[in-house]
Amino acid sequence: DAGITQSPRHKVTETGTPVTLRCHQTENHRYMYWYRQDPGHGLRLIHYSYGVKDTDKGEVSDGYSVSRSKTEDFLLTLESATSSQTSVYFCAISSSGLSYNEQFFGPGTRLTVL
Amino acid sequence: AQTVTQSQPEMSVQEAETVTLSCTYDTSESDYYLFWYKQPPSRQMILVIRQEAYKQQNATENRFSVNFQKAAKSFSLKISDSQLGDAAMYFCAYGPTGANSKLTFGKGITLSVRP
Repeated sequence: DAGITQSPRHKVTETGTPVTLRCHQTENHRYMYWYRQDPGHGLRLIHYSYGVKDTDKGEVSDGYSVSRSKTEDFLLTLESATSSQTSVYFCAISSSGLSYNEQFFGPGTRLTVL
Repeated sequence: AQTVTQSQPEMSVQEAETVTLSCTYDTSESDYYLFWYKQPPSRQMILVIRQEAYKQQNATENRFSVNFQKAAKSFSLKISDSQLGDAAMYFCAYGPTGANSKLTFGKGITLSVRP
């Protein structure tokens, strides 16, 4: 299995509080991605990174920010969590930004915003 | 923008039988990649099979094969000799060529396997 961990694995928080999810990889892959998974929507890309300090928006980036200060860590921050951000969040990594290269996924984080 | 459609939310198959999961997509590109991912109850996303659009031959991985119809923009997954461990949610995904490519996923289909 690709070395990808996500923390925390589960979190319950209240509306309006800040939340940071962490993705850590040991594969030294350049590309990292954050997705959210919701029933009826599949996986949707929030943000991705193509190198240290290089990030870009995905399909559903509103309300989220990211940071990548080291190759191995990619942080997803909800500045002020809302109930619509209740979801399962997946991190993925890839050795290149080419679709041909497989994206390896982390175990996911279930976030509940009350 | 590319779209991926999985119109069947759920399917069921008898153990040892064959099942086909459907997927259609929309793109104006001529070269791209298509994928099927499996998500068992553990939530772990696992790549099942990958197809390159410029290859006419359908991809095969053991009991899993695809029927890629480029003109119809159809990409179905066939699972032969279904096993209980095949029970999962399956996602179809589209990936363009080029740098910084991003995958577009379908909504998924839940497959149950009857013993």
